[in-house]
Parts: sequence; C-alpha cells; structure tokens
Amino acid sequence: DAKTTQPTSMDCAEGRAANLPCNHSTISGNEYVYWYRQIHSQGPQYIIHGLKNNETNEMASLIITEDRKSSTLILPHATLRDTAVYYCIVRVHSPSGNTPLVFGKGTRLSVIA
Amino acid sequence: NAGVTQTPKFQVLKTGQSMTLQCAQDMNHNSMYWYRQDPGMGLRLIYYSASEGTTDKGEVPNGYNVSRLNKREFSLRLESAAPSQTSVYFCASPAGEVNTGELFFGEGSRLTVL
Repeated sequence: DAKTTQPTSMDCAEGRAANLPCNHSTISGNEYVYWYRQIHSQGPQYIIHGLKNNETNEMASLIITEDRKSSTLILPHATLRDTAVYYCIVRVHSPSGNTPLVFGKGTRLSVIA
Repeated sequence: NAGVTQTPKFQVLKTGQSMTLQCAQDMNHNSMYWYRQDPGMGLRLIYYSASEGTTDKGEVPNGYNVSRLNKREFSLRLESAAPSQTSVYFCASPAGEVNTGELFFGEGSRLTVL
C-alpha cells in the first residue's frame, strides 16, 4: 500500500473549517483514500473514503486532487469534540478482507475555543 | 447494539503470565483484526483473519497467538507476557458484510505487564 505523509499536529479555531492535508504521491490507480479519527484513547472511528471523486457525508468532506497524489479532509465547522488524531490511509479495495488497513501516526488536531 | 465487544477492558499481569483477550462481532462479517497502540503511537496490526479458520500475521505478531474458531469470535493470546506488551489492544471488524474499508473498532483492552 502507498505510504502517506501528514503533519504531526494542527490547530483550528472553534467554528472554523479544519483542513487536514495528506500526501500520498505513490498512490496507485486502484487504491482508495480512507480517513479515520481517534478521540482520546477510544477506538478509531471511520470518517470517509474515496477513490478519485470528492466525497461528502454528515461528518466531513474529502477532496482528492486530480492527480490523486494528495487529499484534504475538511471538517466544515470544527467543534471542541473534533479534537482528535486524524489518520489518512491508502489501501486497495479488498472485499475479501485480506488487505488490512495500516495506520500511521496521523495528525493531532486541536480545536481551540 | 451492533458492534465489536472486547473483554476484558483492563488487565494487569506479571511478567511470564498468560492471558487471552476476547473479541466478538455481531455484524456477520468474515474479517477481523487485532491492533495494538502504544502511548503516543499509531495503531499497529498484530494479526488478522480474513475468514473463519484463517489467520495471518500483521506488522508485530511476535509474542502473540490468535484463534478464529467461528465467524463471531477472534481471540488474541499472550503465552508469556512481557513488559513490552504493555499496550492498548483494539479489535476491529468491517461494518457490514461487504468490506468497504469502514472498520468498526471495539473500546479497547488496556493491558499492563509488570
């Protein structure tokens, strides 16, 4: 699976949009981009994933560049409860389940009042 | 509620003791995974099971054994615990019968080895 690069930490003012970047310059054509977050010491929580089109759900938006070498997770109106470590993961689609997700160190987002 | 259940939530062991972490999922999915997370680190995959009766090593399998006896349950065993195995252990399974990559994680099992 392609490797990802994320900033170690970021701050965001409460109510503002949080834009979390991820670089995956070696991504291949059949690899998806996944985003998870981990609040404090809870289990990670799935946020969103995409292949090449931008995606939006109730939690966030995922913007993938046209060359697919980078992406941005957008939390449109960050709240204090969005303070967490955010993980960007690249992986092939694997319905059989034999290609597990590999987590890096992620970005620690601090939302500040 | 549907999801992944891990037991125990907390455990303290002495070096050399053995124990088994239990994980059960009720989402009827074939795949299950065990991760560990050390303080300030990301998650690292220990073992996974793509289907009942099959298991494969992940990034850090040494010192662990696993068992997938049925579709619901995937256990992780420490035969002779070491202080380096002090960690939080997470079990995970896809959220649904089709593995889209959306994993559902348990609440974690916090293990301390003295």
